[in-house]
Amino acid sequence: ILNVEQSPQSLHVQEGDSTNFTCSFPSSNFYALHWYRWETAKSPEALFVMTLNGDEKKKGRISATLNTKEGYSYLYIKGSQPEDSATYLCASTSNFGNEKLTFGTGTRLTIIP
Amino acid sequence: EAQVTQNPRYLITVTGKKLTVTCSQNMNHEYMSWYRQDPGLGLRQIYYSMNVEVTDKGDVPEGYKVSRKEKRNFPLILESPSPNQTSLYFCASRYGQGSTDTQYFGPGTRLTVL
Repeated sequence: ILNVEQSPQSLHVQEGDSTNFTCSFPSSNFYALHWYRWETAKSPEALFVMTLNGDEKKKGRISATLNTKEGYSYLYIKGSQPEDSATYLCASTSNFGNEKLTFGTGTRLTIIP
Repeated sequence: EAQVTQNPRYLITVTGKKLTVTCSQNMNHEYMSWYRQDPGLGLRQIYYSMNVEVTDKGDVPEGYKVSRKEKRNFPLILESPSPNQTSLYFCASRYGQGSTDTQYFGPGTRLTVL
């Protein structure tokens, strides 16, 4: 994988259900993986930064895992609420000394009340 | 309140009319970036700056200029805007050059070039 890819592109989930989506990134020369939450008409807001294989981070009902060997990260939302509706972006960086974040196109999540 | 501010938030202009989008952060961050967001594409980096007077090209620098004369400000300059620069622009900053630092985004500037 040369780019950062996210799937699915969009997702509709019933309120109260749990859900998850995927970020795939280049595993060679991996350095860090970022997750952002981007609400409509607002700016992206950082959720997690992960670096180590097997890392697991949690913030309230949202958690994320990282597999650097195979190049993927999962974001989980437990018991979805309407306020979880947003686009979730991931971005990876490499260890080339380049500080650039390469972003995926995002997963647009809509929670149905 | 720690924040990144951008101005203007919305701008409609015509081809060839020079414009500047300002960006300012109050967190004493060293690293600042400009991104553009287009439908179906991820955020793409235009330019970045690792510190005062240190700037470099990102992925899509053509048609843009930047400057970093002070630590807090990182304006984006379009000398001769064209319709393909119609986009949503974000300024971002983080504390250091380390890519594990949390990056903070401004509120975005929606630019339309007619």
